[in-house]
Amino acid sequence: DVKVTQSSRYLVKRTGEKVFLECVQDMDHENMFWYRQDPGLGLRLIYFSYDVKMKEKGDIPEGYSVSREKKERFSLILESASTNQTSMYLCASKYQGGSYEQYFGPGTRLTVT
Amino acid sequence: GENVEQHPSTLSVQEGDSAVIKCTYSDSASNYFPWYKQELGKRPQLIIDIRSNVGEKKDQRIAVTLNKTAKHFSLHITETQPEDSAVYFCAASPGNQFYFGTGTSLTVIP
Repeated sequence: DVKVTQSSRYLVKRTGEKVFLECVQDMDHENMFWYRQDPGLGLRLIYFSYDVKMKEKGDIPEGYSVSREKKERFSLILESASTNQTSMYLCASKYQGGSYEQYFGPGTRLTVT
Repeated sequence: GENVEQHPSTLSVQEGDSAVIKCTYSDSASNYFPWYKQELGKRPQLIIDIRSNVGEKKDQRIAVTLNKTAKHFSLHITETQPEDSAVYFCAASPGNQFYFGTGTSLTVIP
């Protein structure tokens, strides 16, 4: 059974703090993704990685960076958190190529005050 | 890039009735179309998917249809039950990336 885990379910940070969100998958998936989920806006892609140390910007990369040093781990970094980054963050992973299911983590509800 | 539109944004049906959610996409290179269900407070989970070489797929009470020419695909849920209440997302994928619709909040009224 595929397992995608995220380091925190709930996180509260202050404006200007550096925030790390971590995601780990145990299925040897090549591709990993970070999405942001806001009401009425669906799932918006922040960054994705198709291999170790490889990354591509998604639709809303501003204010975020990512790191993938190991195949199973994909980190999302908010360099200087702002209140408009308060959101639900979902990590996902899948095998390389088309027609493969994307598996989601449980999500991290981040609040920036 | 790909653009996926999903309608309606909210849908209420009586228990036992059918529900239909529609999506359109723009990139003819998209060849994989999954549907995800997200219950309140939980992660999205795949409920059905269809590939571009197939026009229709059914799994018990759930079916998906794909019209490649018109670039639209639909989710059909028959004999709805209260446990079908959730947010449903469609997606289109031309390769590794998925492009999601904005979601449909389905409420099944007992």
